[in-house]
Amino acid sequence: DAGVTQSPTHLIKTRGQQVTLRCSPKSGHDTVSWYQQALGQGPQFIFQYYEEEERQRGNFPDRFSGHQFPNYSSELNVNALLLGDSALYLCASSSLAGRKDTQYFGPGTRLTVL
Amino acid sequence: GEDVEQSLFLSVREGDSSVINCTYTDSSSTYLYWYKQEPGAGLQLLTYIFSNMDMKQDQRLTVLLNKKDKHLSLRIADTQTGDSAIYFCAVLRTGNTPLVFGKGTRLSVIA
Repeated sequence: DAGVTQSPTHLIKTRGQQVTLRCSPKSGHDTVSWYQQALGQGPQFIFQYYEEEERQRGNFPDRFSGHQFPNYSSELNVNALLLGDSALYLCASSSLAGRKDTQYFGPGTRLTVL
Repeated sequence: GEDVEQSLFLSVREGDSSVINCTYTDSSSTYLYWYKQEPGAGLQLLTYIFSNMDMKQDQRLTVLLNKKDKHLSLRIADTQTGDSAIYFCAVLRTGNTPLVFGKGTRLSVIA
């Protein structure tokens, strides 16, 4: 049973560029949440997707957007990258329909903005 | 909003017990979690407790919850060098609300 997977593992971009990160949830899960973890900090909630819609959003600007596909996988897009967007981006899956609220995390994507 | 606080560092000798503490502010928190993060890795779910429980034991791990004081602790018995990592306390109200994390406690185990 595959756990949560994320790609790519590492990414280097320059300021102003755009980036897309990908996540596949754990088998049997239908909900994907994205978190940003800056160095030395705890993860901060970006948004949550369920039934292909954004259900909850944290305190992040509109430069951060996402999508969920019919197979429950998800993408996180960040436009007009800033140096401060450098962080570990974590994806977590759970199941709202199955009332399985515990979130399981993937290995993360390390984004470096130069 | 919800606030979760943890001490930042803990150092213990191999074989001793470690106790990592966490306080939170939202009395509506339903699920309380402990995650482990090793260098350069994602978050590994260690254990969790429901808010209607006082204690949960899982092999070397014991979680204690004091709802009155909004205090959660994680005890690791017979701490090993492989337990060296950052431990995050996280709380959740319901499945469709954000998981709120503390800043993490870095556990160093001295051989």
